[in-house]
This record gives sequence, structure tokens and C-alpha cells, in this order.
Amino acid sequence: GIQVEQSPPDLILQEGANSTLRCNFSDSVNNLQWFHQNPWGQLINLFYIPSGTKQNGRLSATTVATERYSLLYISSSQTTDSGVYFCAAYAGNNRKLIWGLGTSLAVNP
Amino acid sequence: EAGVAQSPRYKIIEKRQSVAFWCNPISGHATLYWYQQILGQGPKLLIQFQNNGVVDDSQLPKDRFSAERLKGVDSTLKIQPAKLEDSAVYLCASSRPGTFSGANVLTFGAGSRLTVL
Repeated sequence: GIQVEQSPPDLILQEGANSTLRCNFSDSVNNLQWFHQNPWGQLINLFYIPSGTKQNGRLSATTVATERYSLLYISSSQTTDSGVYFCAAYAGNNRKLIWGLGTSLAVNP
Repeated sequence: EAGVAQSPRYKIIEKRQSVAFWCNPISGHATLYWYQQILGQGPKLLIQFQNNGVVDDSQLPKDRFSAERLKGVDSTLKIQPAKLEDSAVYLCASSRPGTFSGANVLTFGAGSRLTVL
């Protein structure tokens, strides 16, 4: 089946730093999404990004579907950005969401 | 719009007892998901409903877990009897199915944290 791989698995940043998280997928996927899970466990959908680039404040995401990857950019990181970032995408007939293992981000003050 | 509602937020039970979790999805969202998330791991899909029909329950331990979605709205996930390894957060999510932009975008509830002693 389709594999979704995320890198790096762990990341520690100083507040104010920028970072790039990567999501690779092994085959064509649909409806790629990025999620943030905060330290209290709430999962929030950040981006629905099947292709192209979107921006929301300090966060932006780019998906290059033909090359089977997506990137999440965090600029001027804040301590509230800490948590786990997941990418997930639908495979095949859009009926099953495949999840990556996540990138655990810690932003230190 | 109101979010996905889940209850209870926390539950502590002893092994072999039973527990039930409730989820109310966003109004108009036909697809409902139950995920299990063990500490330090990503979400694992237990069951996915489209309206009140099951789309995928391949990872649901059917000897102890059951779920229903009567009338295609609210859903209940039950565990009976519980085991120690069922300690996890149970997340409910919903989405609007379709091929239009924004379809299949999941919105999650706050989760129900289960501790089995």
C-alpha cells in the first residue's frame, strides 16, 4: 500500500527560528492535509493542499504532486507551535486516509 | 460552525469493565471517523462511517469493540471488556465527502482519554 513518510521525526528549535517539515509519499495521493496536534492532544487541520502553495500567517505549505512530496514551512517559530505535525493523504478511491508518523516539534523560549 | 463534540473527556476503568464514548459530528458532515491514538503514536483508524453505513472497519478489534451511527448523525464507540492495552485517546472526526475542493478535510473533536487499570 501507499506509504507516507515524514522527516525529521524530531525537531528542536529556538523561538524565532524557521523550519521545514517534509512529507514524502510513495505513490499518487489525493487531498493531502497537514495537521498540528498540540501538547494537550487537540488535532487541528492546518492545510488542505493537494497541490500548489498555501499560506496562513507564519505557516505555509507546498505540495508537488508530480514529485510526491509536500513541505510545511514554519517561520518565526513560537512556543505555541510545539507539538506533533502530521501529514495525511487519501489513496486510490479517496476512501482511506493514510497517515505519516509525524514530526515532533519543540520550540524553546 | 460548531465543532465535533465528544464525551466523556476522561474515563478511568478497570480491566474487563465496559466503556462507551459518544461523538456528535459537525452538522452536514456525512463521514464520521473513530481513531485510536496511543501515547507517542499517530492516529489509527478504527472505523469510518458514511452516513450510517460502514466504509472501513478493518482495524476494529471486533471481539471487544463495537460502533454504531444510528440515523447517520451521532455515533457511539463501545469497548467491552476493556484491556490494559486499550488505554489511549479515542478521537472522533468528521468530514464532508466529495470531489470538490475542501472535501474530505477532517475536523477532529477534543478526544476521550481512556485509562484502563
